[in-house]
Amino acid sequence: DSGVTQTPKHLITATGQRVTLRCSPRSGDLSVYWYQQSLDQGLQFLIQYYNGEERAKGNILERFSAQQFPDLHSELNLSSLELGDSALYFCASSLRRGGGPSTDTQYFGPGTRLTVL
Amino acid sequence: GDSVTQMEGPVTLSEEAFLTINCTYTATGYPSLFWYVQYPGEGLQLLLKATKADDKGSNKGFEATYRKETTSFHLEKGSVQVSDSAVYFCALSDLMTGANSKLTFGKGITLSVRP
Repeated sequence: DSGVTQTPKHLITATGQRVTLRCSPRSGDLSVYWYQQSLDQGLQFLIQYYNGEERAKGNILERFSAQQFPDLHSELNLSSLELGDSALYFCASSLRRGGGPSTDTQYFGPGTRLTVL
Repeated sequence: GDSVTQMEGPVTLSEEAFLTINCTYTATGYPSLFWYVQYPGEGLQLLLKATKADDKGSNKGFEATYRKETTSFHLEKGSVQVSDSAVYFCALSDLMTGANSKLTFGKGITLSVRP
Protein backbone atom coordinates (compact mmCIF):
# COMPACT_ATOMS: atom_id res chain seq x y z
CA ASP A 1 0.00 0.00 0.00
CA SER A 2 1.58 3.26 -1.22
CA GLY A 3 -0.54 5.51 1.01
CA VAL A 4 -2.02 7.29 -2.01
CA THR A 5 -5.76 6.80 -2.44
CA GLN A 6 -7.87 7.40 -5.52
CA THR A 7 -11.60 7.37 -5.99
CA PRO A 8 -13.55 6.05 -7.71
CA LYS A 9 -11.83 2.85 -8.78
CA HIS A 10 -13.97 2.52 -11.91
CA LEU A 11 -16.02 5.05 -13.80
CA ILE A 12 -18.24 4.40 -16.80
CA THR A 13 -19.81 7.34 -18.55
CA ALA A 14 -21.00 8.56 -21.94
CA THR A 15 -19.43 10.83 -24.51
CA GLY A 16 -19.92 14.52 -23.83
CA GLN A 17 -20.16 14.05 -20.08
CA ARG A 18 -17.97 15.47 -17.32
CA VAL A 19 -16.34 13.52 -14.50
CA THR A 20 -14.17 14.27 -11.48
CA LEU A 21 -11.42 11.99 -10.24
CA ARG A 22 -10.15 12.39 -6.71
CA CYS A 23 -6.74 11.76 -5.19
CA SER A 24 -5.51 11.90 -1.61
CA PRO A 25 -1.71 11.99 -1.36
CA ARG A 26 0.42 10.27 1.25
CA SER A 27 0.29 12.04 4.57
CA GLY A 28 2.56 15.07 4.46
CA ASP A 29 3.35 14.92 0.74
CA LEU A 30 3.08 18.32 -0.91
CA SER A 31 3.24 17.38 -4.59
CA VAL A 32 0.54 15.63 -6.56
CA TYR A 33 0.99 14.39 -10.12
CA TRP A 34 -1.59 13.09 -12.57
CA TYR A 35 -0.75 10.55 -15.27
CA GLN A 36 -2.80 8.92 -18.00
CA GLN A 37 -2.14 5.34 -19.08
CA SER A 38 -3.61 4.22 -22.38
CA LEU A 39 -2.77 1.40 -24.75
CA ASP A 40 -1.69 3.67 -27.60
CA GLN A 41 0.03 6.49 -25.66
CA GLY A 42 1.49 4.56 -22.75
CA LEU A 43 2.03 6.42 -19.48
CA GLN A 44 1.92 10.17 -19.95
CA PHE A 45 2.32 12.98 -17.47
CA LEU A 46 -0.63 15.36 -17.35
CA ILE A 47 -0.06 17.91 -14.60
CA GLN A 48 1.68 18.57 -11.27
CA TYR A 49 0.57 20.59 -8.27
CA TYR A 50 2.83 21.58 -5.41
CA ASN A 51 1.30 22.87 -2.18
CA GLY A 52 -1.79 24.12 -3.96
CA GLU A 53 -0.13 25.70 -6.98
CA GLU A 54 0.24 24.36 -10.49
CA ARG A 55 3.89 23.50 -10.99
CA ALA A 56 4.21 21.74 -14.33
CA LYS A 57 2.02 20.83 -17.26
CA GLY A 58 2.40 17.97 -19.67
CA ASN A 59 0.19 16.59 -22.41
CA ILE A 60 -3.04 17.72 -20.80
CA LEU A 61 -5.97 18.58 -23.04
CA GLU A 62 -7.78 21.89 -22.63
CA ARG A 63 -10.91 19.89 -21.75
CA PHE A 64 -9.08 18.63 -18.67
CA SER A 65 -8.32 20.64 -15.56
CA ALA A 66 -7.07 19.96 -12.07
CA GLN A 67 -6.69 21.61 -8.72
CA GLN A 68 -5.12 20.93 -5.34
CA PHE A 69 -7.00 21.95 -2.24
CA PRO A 70 -5.68 23.33 1.09
CA ASP A 71 -5.83 19.85 2.62
CA LEU A 72 -3.57 18.77 -0.30
CA HIS A 73 -6.02 16.41 -1.95
CA SER A 74 -6.40 16.90 -5.67
CA GLU A 75 -9.13 16.54 -8.25
CA LEU A 76 -8.82 15.98 -11.98
CA ASN A 77 -11.81 17.20 -13.98
CA LEU A 78 -12.43 15.77 -17.43
CA SER A 79 -15.14 17.36 -19.55
CA SER A 80 -16.73 16.89 -22.98
CA LEU A 81 -15.52 13.32 -22.80
CA GLU A 82 -14.60 11.46 -25.95
CA LEU A 83 -14.11 7.75 -26.58
CA GLY A 84 -10.36 8.31 -26.72
CA ASP A 85 -10.32 9.55 -23.13
CA SER A 86 -10.92 6.01 -21.93
CA ALA A 87 -7.81 5.16 -19.92
CA LEU A 88 -6.37 4.47 -16.51
CA TYR A 89 -5.69 7.69 -14.62
CA PHE A 90 -3.03 7.58 -11.92
CA CYS A 91 -2.26 10.01 -9.19
CA ALA A 92 1.15 10.08 -7.54
CA SER A 93 2.55 12.06 -4.64
CA SER A 94 5.97 13.00 -3.35
CA LEU A 95 7.91 15.49 -1.22
CA ARG A 96 7.17 15.00 2.41
CA ARG A 97 7.32 18.02 4.68
CA GLY A 98 10.84 18.44 5.98
CA GLY A 99 12.52 16.72 3.04
CA GLY A 100 14.49 13.50 3.35
CA PRO A 101 16.56 11.16 1.19
CA SER A 102 13.63 9.94 -0.89
CA THR A 103 12.01 13.25 -1.72
CA ASP A 104 12.35 12.60 -5.45
CA THR A 105 10.39 9.35 -5.36
CA GLN A 106 6.81 9.40 -6.57
CA TYR A 107 4.35 6.99 -4.98
CA PHE A 108 1.39 5.95 -7.08
CA GLY A 109 -2.21 5.32 -6.22
CA PRO A 110 -4.17 2.32 -7.57
CA GLY A 111 -5.67 4.37 -10.40
CA THR A 112 -9.14 5.18 -11.70
CA ARG A 113 -10.23 3.28 -14.78
CA LEU A 114 -12.38 5.54 -16.95
CA THR A 115 -14.52 4.02 -19.68
CA VAL A 116 -16.29 6.37 -22.07
CA LEU A 117 -19.08 4.74 -24.06
CA GLY B 1 13.14 16.63 -24.53
CA ASP B 2 13.64 13.77 -22.13
CA SER B 3 12.89 10.26 -23.36
CA VAL B 4 13.19 6.64 -22.25
CA THR B 5 13.55 3.69 -24.58
CA GLN B 6 12.86 0.16 -23.44
CA MET B 7 13.47 -3.05 -25.31
CA GLU B 8 10.50 -4.48 -27.19
CA GLY B 9 8.41 -7.11 -25.47
CA PRO B 10 6.80 -9.25 -24.33
CA VAL B 11 9.36 -11.44 -22.62
CA THR B 12 8.62 -15.00 -21.56
CA LEU B 13 11.05 -16.88 -19.32
CA SER B 14 11.14 -20.10 -17.39
CA GLU B 15 11.35 -19.94 -13.60
CA GLU B 16 14.94 -19.47 -12.33
CA ALA B 17 16.09 -18.00 -15.64
CA PHE B 18 18.26 -14.87 -15.77
CA LEU B 19 16.46 -11.64 -16.66
CA THR B 20 17.75 -8.54 -18.41
CA ILE B 21 15.47 -5.72 -19.51
CA ASN B 22 17.26 -2.98 -21.41
CA CYS B 23 16.57 0.70 -20.82
CA THR B 24 18.32 3.72 -22.30
CA TYR B 25 17.51 7.35 -21.77
CA THR B 26 17.98 10.84 -23.15
CA ALA B 27 17.94 13.75 -20.73
CA THR B 28 19.15 17.32 -20.74
CA GLY B 29 20.10 17.47 -17.07
CA TYR B 30 21.14 14.97 -14.41
CA PRO B 31 18.19 12.70 -14.01
CA SER B 32 17.26 10.18 -11.38
CA LEU B 33 16.37 6.81 -12.85
CA PHE B 34 13.66 4.43 -11.73
CA TRP B 35 12.16 1.05 -12.39
CA TYR B 36 8.47 0.72 -11.59
CA VAL B 37 6.49 -2.52 -11.70
CA GLN B 38 2.77 -2.95 -12.38
CA TYR B 39 1.20 -6.23 -11.34
CA PRO B 40 -2.04 -7.27 -13.06
CA GLY B 41 -4.92 -5.05 -12.03
CA GLU B 42 -2.79 -2.89 -9.76
CA GLY B 43 -1.09 0.48 -9.76
CA LEU B 44 2.59 1.25 -10.19
CA GLN B 45 5.02 0.28 -7.47
CA LEU B 46 8.54 1.60 -7.18
CA LEU B 47 10.95 -1.30 -7.65
CA LEU B 48 14.28 0.49 -7.39
CA LYS B 49 15.99 3.75 -8.19
CA ALA B 50 19.38 5.42 -8.64
CA THR B 51 20.03 9.12 -8.34
CA LYS B 52 23.52 9.58 -9.77
CA ALA B 53 26.03 7.98 -12.09
CA ASP B 54 27.40 4.58 -11.03
CA ASP B 55 24.75 4.19 -8.32
CA LYS B 56 23.24 0.73 -8.15
CA GLY B 57 19.62 0.35 -7.15
CA SER B 58 18.47 -2.98 -5.80
CA ASN B 59 15.34 -4.55 -4.36
CA LYS B 60 13.77 -8.03 -4.20
CA GLY B 61 16.72 -9.52 -6.11
CA PHE B 62 16.47 -6.98 -8.93
CA GLU B 63 19.37 -4.68 -9.70
CA ALA B 64 20.10 -1.80 -12.07
CA THR B 65 23.19 0.39 -12.40
CA TYR B 66 23.08 4.01 -13.56
CA ARG B 67 25.54 4.17 -16.47
CA LYS B 68 26.05 7.74 -17.59
CA GLU B 69 28.57 6.85 -20.31
CA THR B 70 26.07 4.59 -22.06
CA THR B 71 22.95 6.44 -20.80
CA SER B 72 21.53 3.14 -19.65
CA PHE B 73 19.76 1.65 -16.64
CA HIS B 74 19.26 -2.03 -17.46
CA LEU B 75 17.25 -4.16 -15.05
CA GLU B 76 18.62 -7.58 -14.07
CA LYS B 77 17.61 -10.46 -11.87
CA GLY B 78 19.58 -13.66 -11.46
CA SER B 79 16.66 -16.03 -10.98
CA VAL B 80 13.10 -15.01 -11.81
CA GLN B 81 10.01 -16.41 -10.14
CA VAL B 82 6.45 -16.83 -11.37
CA SER B 83 5.47 -14.02 -9.00
CA ASP B 84 7.70 -11.62 -10.97
CA SER B 85 5.24 -11.73 -13.88
CA ALA B 86 4.23 -8.11 -14.38
CA VAL B 87 4.78 -5.05 -16.57
CA TYR B 88 8.07 -3.23 -15.94
CA PHE B 89 8.54 0.46 -16.66
CA CYS B 90 11.80 2.36 -16.81
CA ALA B 91 11.45 6.05 -15.97
CA LEU B 92 13.47 9.17 -15.38
CA SER B 93 12.92 12.29 -13.38
CA ASP B 94 14.89 15.36 -14.36
CA LEU B 95 14.90 17.17 -11.06
CA MET B 96 14.40 20.87 -10.80
CA THR B 97 15.49 22.94 -7.85
CA GLY B 98 13.04 23.08 -5.01
CA ALA B 99 10.50 20.51 -6.14
CA ASN B 100 10.11 17.33 -8.06
CA SER B 101 9.76 17.07 -11.76
CA LYS B 102 7.55 14.81 -13.81
CA LEU B 103 8.41 11.22 -14.57
CA THR B 104 9.04 10.28 -18.18
CA PHE B 105 8.26 6.62 -18.78
CA GLY B 106 9.30 4.05 -21.31
CA LYS B 107 6.58 2.02 -23.04
CA GLY B 108 6.83 -0.80 -20.52
CA ILE B 109 7.55 -4.45 -21.11
CA THR B 110 5.45 -7.41 -20.08
CA LEU B 111 7.31 -10.23 -18.37
CA SER B 112 5.72 -13.65 -18.09
CA VAL B 113 7.47 -16.33 -16.06
CA ARG B 114 6.31 -19.91 -16.52
CA PRO B 115 6.78 -22.61 -13.89
